[in-house]
Amino acid sequence: GENVEQHPSTLSVQEGDSAVIKCTYSDSASNYFPWYKQELGKGPQLIIDIRSNVGEKKDQRIAVTLNKTAKHFSLHITETQPEDSAVYFCAASLTSSGAGSYQLTFGKGTKLSVIP
Amino acid sequence: NAGVMQNPRHLVRRRGQEARLRCSPMKGHSHVYWYRQLPEEGLKFMVYLQKENIIDESGMPKERFSAEFPKEGPSILRIQQVVRGDSAAYFCASSPRLEFDGQFFGPGTRLTVL
Repeated sequence: GENVEQHPSTLSVQEGDSAVIKCTYSDSASNYFPWYKQELGKGPQLIIDIRSNVGEKKDQRIAVTLNKTAKHFSLHITETQPEDSAVYFCAASLTSSGAGSYQLTFGKGTKLSVIP
Repeated sequence: NAGVMQNPRHLVRRRGQEARLRCSPMKGHSHVYWYRQLPEEGLKFMVYLQKENIIDESGMPKERFSAEFPKEGPSILRIQQVVRGDSAAYFCASSPRLEFDGQFFGPGTRLTVL
């Protein structure tokens, strides 16, 4: 089955700096890669996702890049703010017809701390 | 436009009791997923259901755990004869249709087994 590795496990940045979180996956057939933000005591919130036919996607201060050949994808947050502090999870899924349940396989998470 | 709802938010059970966790998907969503999150860990897939059907339960322990999504009412994750190792946060996610890949999560139920 799919295996997703996520690094780093913790990340501290100064407010205004950029943060980058990296993930690798093992199943070359995976074609959907979402990122979730989880605040303390809450459920994961989908913040951005990318499909395998796209190399990069951007939404305001958040961007995700995908390298299918190397089987890795990254989350980039620019101009970080204290409210960006949370745990971020990457995930991978195979979503083509007949692929099964479309279950998400998650990385172990990155705790991001933005220092004012 | 209410999101995914889960209840209870916190549940305390003694070893050997039963735990029932409920999930109401977002309006218009007919696909439900259950995930378990242990402390300091990512989420692990347990089961995928559509109305009245279990599609994939490959992540569910073979014993004591069961799930349903009836024609009417919420999805239920049931854990019989709970043990301390069942203590975790259980999250439900829903999606609107098969081709749409985004899963939207509820706030979770935090189960503590004494």
